[in-house]
Amino acid sequence: DTGVSQDPRHKITKRGQNVTFRCDPISEHNRLYWYRQTLGQGPEFLTYFQNEAQLEKSRLLSDRFSAERPKGSFSTLEIQRTEQGDSAMYLCASSAGLAGNNEQFFGPGTRLTVL
Amino acid sequence: AQSVTQLGSHVSVSEGALVLLRCNYSSSVPPYLFWYVQYPNQGLQLLLKYTTGATLVKGINGFEAEFKKSETSFHLTKPSAHMSDAAEYFCAVASPSGGSYIPTFGRGTSLIVHP
Repeated sequence: DTGVSQDPRHKITKRGQNVTFRCDPISEHNRLYWYRQTLGQGPEFLTYFQNEAQLEKSRLLSDRFSAERPKGSFSTLEIQRTEQGDSAMYLCASSAGLAGNNEQFFGPGTRLTVL
Repeated sequence: AQSVTQLGSHVSVSEGALVLLRCNYSSSVPPYLFWYVQYPNQGLQLLLKYTTGATLVKGINGFEAEFKKSETSFHLTKPSAHMSDAAEYFCAVASPSGGSYIPTFGRGTSLIVHP
């Protein structure tokens, strides 16, 4: 297994455009998480899935954000009508099992720049 | 509610010197505690974690941390710094909330190692 992968690694877009990011977790990991990380800050939780079910969403996840994990494998995060404040690193992580002490394995992130 | 405070956004040490990165947490219930490391342009990697049992936890690359409940601390140490330890370090706390353990990360501490 090659770990968690994210695509694209970098995305530059103009304000108002829609963008979509993809995350491929480690095979058979049933939990998948999305975080946002801005410069000088730690990762901030956005949402997570247990298999295909989206179980929790942060207040940071405005109506312009939507995430899916249709078959319980890969996940997509879409941002509609992007704003300059959306510029950040978007991190994906996956973990096995249901316990909170299970290690999360992080992908390399997608860096979004909104011009 | 849970929160993490990492004292010092930057810590500078000489190669071979003791590394001490501070982390204090707030949690209404016994938490799980984690330290992650992030190298440039890479995702976060777990260094070590505390869940239950022994309060002194050993991790990878010679790092260790001690859970001190009375001080609500989980400081990260390494006896002798190596140049390759230069990276961003994040402390995280996870407490059960509605059955989920969503971690809250600190703002990070940048470790600088001088030759």
